[in-house]
Amino acid sequence: NAGVTQTPKFQVLKTGQSMTLQCAQDMNHEYMSWYRQDPGMGLRLIHYSVGAGITDQGEVPNGYNVSRSTTEDFPLRLLSAAPSQTSVYFCASSPGQGITDTQYFGPGTRLTVL
Amino acid sequence: AQSVTQLDSQVPVFEEAPVELRCNYSSSVSVYLFWYVQYPNQGLQLLLKYLSGSTLVESINGFEAEFNKSQTSFHLRKPSVHISDTAEYFCAVQGNTGFQKLVFGTGTRLLVSP
Repeated sequence: NAGVTQTPKFQVLKTGQSMTLQCAQDMNHEYMSWYRQDPGMGLRLIHYSVGAGITDQGEVPNGYNVSRSTTEDFPLRLLSAAPSQTSVYFCASSPGQGITDTQYFGPGTRLTVL
Repeated sequence: AQSVTQLDSQVPVFEEAPVELRCNYSSSVSVYLFWYVQYPNQGLQLLLKYLSGSTLVESINGFEAEFNKSQTSFHLRKPSVHISDTAEYFCAVQGNTGFQKLVFGTGTRLLVSP
């Protein structure tokens, strides 16, 4: 198993540009989520999905869209990038929503918005 | 709602010295507690977790944490650190709502020097 994979690893955008951060997992996990990591703020939940076709907002959803058309993929879309979205983005997955289900994190995407 | 406080942003120690990374939480409901580790340029990995039962939990690489309900703490300890333990450590909490929504602390960077 490759686990959780994220592409790209690095990205530089100009303000107003759009892009999609890709996340895929090959463990047949139902639950997937996106976090952003900022210095001094830890990880904050952006959006999550409890299964294909079902998504919901996390703590900091503004400026981001998600969709979950398959179990494997959970892309994160920035429609109009802003400098405040400069961050490291982590995708995570787990077998289910239960507390005993360990979350597995991808290696992250470092995004810079100029 | 839950919150997590990691007061130490950075902890420098010498190799083979003991270390304690502090974590305090706030919650109006019963909680589950986690420590995650992030090695340089990698995603987060679960180090250990407290769900129920014994308040002392251990990881496979010598770390341990003790859940103290009265002091609302979950400090991470290791009696003798190695250079390879250099990483960022995140404490996380989840309320017992049955749905996995982790709240992370801001992280503590452990720097082990020879």
